[in-house]
Amino acid sequence: DSGVTQTPKHLITATGQRVTLRCSPRSGDLSVYWYQQSLDQGLQFLIQYYNGEERAKGNILERFSAQQFPDLHSELNLSSLELGDSALYFCASSSHHPSKRLRDTQYFGPGTRLTVL
Amino acid sequence: AQKITQTQPGMFVQEKEAVTLDCTYDTSDQSYGLFWYKQPSSGEMIFLIYQGSYDEQNATEGRYSLNFQKARKSANLVISASQLGDSAMYFCAMRAGSQGNLIFGKGTKLSVKP
Repeated sequence: DSGVTQTPKHLITATGQRVTLRCSPRSGDLSVYWYQQSLDQGLQFLIQYYNGEERAKGNILERFSAQQFPDLHSELNLSSLELGDSALYFCASSSHHPSKRLRDTQYFGPGTRLTVL
Repeated sequence: AQKITQTQPGMFVQEKEAVTLDCTYDTSDQSYGLFWYKQPSSGEMIFLIYQGSYDEQNATEGRYSLNFQKARKSANLVISASQLGDSAMYFCAMRAGSQGNLIFGKGTKLSVKP
C-alpha cells in the first residue's frame, strides 16, 4: 500500500458526461501528479500541483481540469467525455518541491479505471 | 526531446533465474533521475529502484539492481532469482532537469515460468 488513495476505483459513464476523480496523497506529501494510462498512448503526464498551486501541465486536454485543495487532496475533472477518454487514471504524490530533489520518488495510487460507453 | 525506450514488449524467464530488462533514455540535461516501476495485473504502480545521473555506483534494492551505463544512456533493470510474483509489466521512467513529472517508456511484460 503506497498510502495514496483514489476514488472511485471504477467508473462507467456515457459520452458527453462529466466525472470527478479524487485523490488523497500520502500524509505529508505536498506534490500531486495526475497521469493517464491508455493502451495506445501509454502512461502520460497530465498535470502537477504543489501545495495547492499548479506547477506543470502535460498532455492535458482543455476538457480536463484539476485542482488541489487546502487539505492537499486533489480532484481531476473530466468533461464532455469521449470514447477515447477511457483509460486508467493515476494520481501520484511526492514529498518535496519538484525542483529541489531529482530523486524525489513518486508513489502512485491504485488508479481509477474510467470506461466511457 | 526527452524519451525513454523499452525495446522488449515481452520477456519470459524461468523461475529462480536472473533477467535483464532494457531501458535506454534520451535527454540533453546533465541532471536526471531514472526510475523503475512494476505494474502487476491488479494495476497499481509500485516503485522499485532509483538511479541518479551523478550516482557513481549502480543502485541496488534487494533482488533489483540497475545496470547504469551513462555513456550508452542505458539503465537496465536486473532482477535476480526471479519469482512467480515478479510476473508483471515493468516501466522505466525519467525525470530530467527541473521538471517534476516522470516520462515513461512503453513497458516490458515479464512472465516468470515455473
